Amino acid sequence: QVQLVQSGAEVKKPGASVKVSCKASGYTFTSYGITWVRQAPGQGLEWMGWISAYNGEKNYAQKFQGRLTLTTDTSTNKVHMELRSLRSDDTAVYYCTREEGSGTGWFDPWGQGTLVTVSS
Amino acid sequence: SYVLTQPPSVSVAPGRTAGITCGGKKIGSKSVHWYQQRPGQAPVLVMFYDSDRPSGIPERFSGSNSGNTATLTISRVEVGDEAAYYCQVWDSSSDHPMFGGGTKLTVL
Repeated sequence: QVQLVQSGAEVKKPGASVKVSCKASGYTFTSYGITWVRQAPGQGLEWMGWISAYNGEKNYAQKFQGRLTLTTDTSTNKVHMELRSLRSDDTAVYYCTREEGSGTGWFDPWGQGTLVTVSS
Repeated sequence: SYVLTQPPSVSVAPGRTAGITCGGKKIGSKSVHWYQQRPGQAPVLVMFYDSDRPSGIPERFSGSNSGNTATLTISRVEVGDEAAYYCQVWDSSSDHPMFGGGTKLTVL
């Protein structure tokens, strides 16, 4: 079955960087893009960015421009999300999810989520 | 950017019907997708293209979209349906998806 499995929880100090991985299985990796969404404690879902696993094309939310980098590794079917210059308000659960229906896209399935805690 | 408005909470008794709305300017001209998120879990797609159910989602879940409001309807509500529900559309002006603020469904 289609599955996305993310790396484990991270604790970082303000100003540091974090890198979260998302391993895809059960489908042809290069046929879909992967989106990252985060959810701060008690809050809603926030889109961060997307990367094509086919050609590496990227689309980042303006809010994260300059701090966010998405990369793919087709040899391991993994997508990596790196967020730099972390602040306390970056504390959140970060999800990767597969995008379907290009142009009017929806997201299915979702990874289990990775909690990133930013604290001094 | 495009704004989606959901009521923060909806309460319903078991066995009754719950309607969760998602408001947006001319949302009827867009495709609306819905996600269920139980506490401590990742979101799960429960509706796409306004009214299409993914495999494994009960027929009790249905969707509609017209004018300025999209609605996710859950018939014969069960205790297990208690969760947060998020609507989502694609904002063509910014070329990225937008999520509603979420609605917490409480089954009394």
